[in-house]
Amino acid sequence: LAKTTQPISMDSYEGQEVNITCSHNNIATNDYITWYQQFPSQGPRFIIQGYKTKVTNEVASLFIPADRKSSTLSLPRVSLSDTAVYYCLVGTDNYGQNFVFGPGTRLSVLP
Amino acid sequence: NAGVTQTPKFRILKIGQSMTLQCAQDMNHNYMYWYRQDPGMGLKLIYYSVGAGITDKGEVPNGYNVSRSTTEDFPLRLELAAPSQTSVYFCASSYRPGDVNSPLHFGNGTRLTVT
Repeated sequence: LAKTTQPISMDSYEGQEVNITCSHNNIATNDYITWYQQFPSQGPRFIIQGYKTKVTNEVASLFIPADRKSSTLSLPRVSLSDTAVYYCLVGTDNYGQNFVFGPGTRLSVLP
Repeated sequence: NAGVTQTPKFRILKIGQSMTLQCAQDMNHNYMYWYRQDPGMGLKLIYYSVGAGITDKGEVPNGYNVSRSTTEDFPLRLELAAPSQTSVYFCASSYRPGDVNSPLHFGNGTRLTVT
């Protein structure tokens, strides 16, 4: 299993760019990197997924260096509504049972 | 499009009682999962299913049972509730996990308290 390590918590202010880094030193060749967002009293929600280099969608960007041993989720110009827990997952097995959700990173956006 | 629907939203059980947490998805996903989330913690996989009639244990299956008679439904059964099962339970589904553009879709959870 590719275990991940993220900061437990981060604080930011509205309008700032937030970068959350995830370490996954034993990532396998076929593993993808996926980030989820969870608001209180809700289930996690898919944000972005990537394999290498950079991926961007309407919500976030994902930066993956060449060695793929880490990845960085970038949230541009955060707002109060981005306050949530962010999970980094690594895996690609056919059954999904090896997707391990760690404690995630609790992001607090302050006014 | 409803996505993944879980019922009930809240439930209080006495020790030793039993109950079934319901989960239904309307996306024709083959893969379905049950997770539990304790306060301040990540999600732990209880059981999963790769299709109707096929289920398997996850990381923390003790005290739970599942069945998958249809593609749409994946109920989770607690036979003898214990305080350690107090948690928030999330059901999820996926078309094909690990594939690009095939993420997990989660319901909004069932908050269970066992006293």
